[in-house]
Amino acid sequence: GENVEQHPSTLSVQEGDSAVIKCTYSDSASNYFPWYKQELGKGPQLIIDIRSNVGEKKDQRIAVTLNKTAKHFSLHITETQPEDSAVYFCAASYGGTSYGKLTFGQGTILTVHP
Amino acid sequence: KAGVTQTPRYLIKTRGQQVTLSCSPISGHRSVSWYQQTPGQGLQFLFEYFSETQRNKGNFPGRFSGRQFSNSRSEMNVSTLELGDSALYLCASSSPRGRETQYFGPGTRLLVL
Repeated sequence: GENVEQHPSTLSVQEGDSAVIKCTYSDSASNYFPWYKQELGKGPQLIIDIRSNVGEKKDQRIAVTLNKTAKHFSLHITETQPEDSAVYFCAASYGGTSYGKLTFGQGTILTVHP
Repeated sequence: KAGVTQTPRYLIKTRGQQVTLSCSPISGHRSVSWYQQTPGQGLQFLFEYFSETQRNKGNFPGRFSGRQFSNSRSEMNVSTLELGDSALYLCASSSPRGRETQYFGPGTRLLVL
């Protein structure tokens, strides 16, 4: 089955700096890659996703890049703010045919210092 | 639109008991997936339901079961609780159009003593 590795496990940055989180996946059939942000006491919140027919996607300060050949994808957050502090998870699936199964990375605790 | 709701939010049970958790998806969403989240194992897929049918199942013992009703609401049941079942149980729903995009509820925190 699919396996997703996520690095780093913790990331500490100063406000205004950029943060990058990287994930690799094992199954070349995976074609959908979402990123979730989870704050304390809450469920994961979808922040951005990308499909395998796209190499990069951007939404304001957040961007995701995908390298299908190397089987890795990354989350980039620019101009970080203290409210970006949370746990971030990457995930992979076969898209519609995966019937609801997302395989998650282990998570990255991001801390943004004011 | 209201988000995914889960009840109860917190639950304390003792070993050997059973528990039922409930999930109401976003209006119009027909697919519901369940996940278990623990510090050691992270987020792990339990099962997925669509139109009252289980379409996919993760690697969990048969003590974990679920069902979905005609209004798309879903329940999961854990029988003969073990200490290791203590976790945050999350459900997520997706729409018929964007089937792969899942929206999570706040979860039910289960503590087994």
